[in-house]
Amino acid sequence: DQQVKQNSPSLSVQEGRISILNCDYTNSMFDYFLWYKKYPAEGPTFLISISSIKDKNEDGRFTVFLNKSAKHLSLHIVPSQPGDSAVYFCAASGQVVGNQFYFGTGTSLTVIP
Amino acid sequence: DAGVTQSPTHLIKTRGQQVTLRCSPKSGHDTVSWYQQALGQGPQFIFQYYEEEERQRGNFPDRFSGHQFPNYSSELNVNALLLGDSALYLCASSSGQGLYGYTFGSGTRLTVV
Repeated sequence: DQQVKQNSPSLSVQEGRISILNCDYTNSMFDYFLWYKKYPAEGPTFLISISSIKDKNEDGRFTVFLNKSAKHLSLHIVPSQPGDSAVYFCAASGQVVGNQFYFGTGTSLTVIP
Repeated sequence: DAGVTQSPTHLIKTRGQQVTLRCSPKSGHDTVSWYQQALGQGPQFIFQYYEEEERQRGNFPDRFSGHQFPNYSSELNVNALLLGDSALYLCASSSGQGLYGYTFGSGTRLTVV
């Protein structure tokens, strides 16, 4: 049962343009969401998070949007840079569901110079 | 400051054998979580250790067991290996429940033949 879904396995974007990565979830008890970035041969690294009490969180070029009614979140990267090329995972958790994070299957982003 | 250290980085085992994977958490972190990432999938939660006890467990059989030592390091043991256990095993450390994000190691790539 995949509670967190990333329906786009890959995305290609020109350098300088906006990258939008999407994530959907099914469990309405999730109240905390994270995005991780993963380079080959490395573990995932934390990128940005958002709590369900917010609908937007910004950190430099990265912005995460949360639409609770649609159970949807998105990560915007502006402007995209070649170094952003990686696999991006969204993850969800919540106090009620326990201490684990549920991950999506990832979206491979390629930023073309 | 070292992050999360996992050993070994790669491992090949035969079906039916047993394996032990090791993890040293980031300095200052007291909680260790283990995740299994199969090819093309997102990480899946195996279990979490805190104060040398298993605090929460995901949907994995009893063949998967773990341990946390007084210095917060941890081991993941898998008995009676199956071909389907081939995956990247990620260790993540955090302070407390880790609701604000984990620090991941680079993982151990286990291949069962």
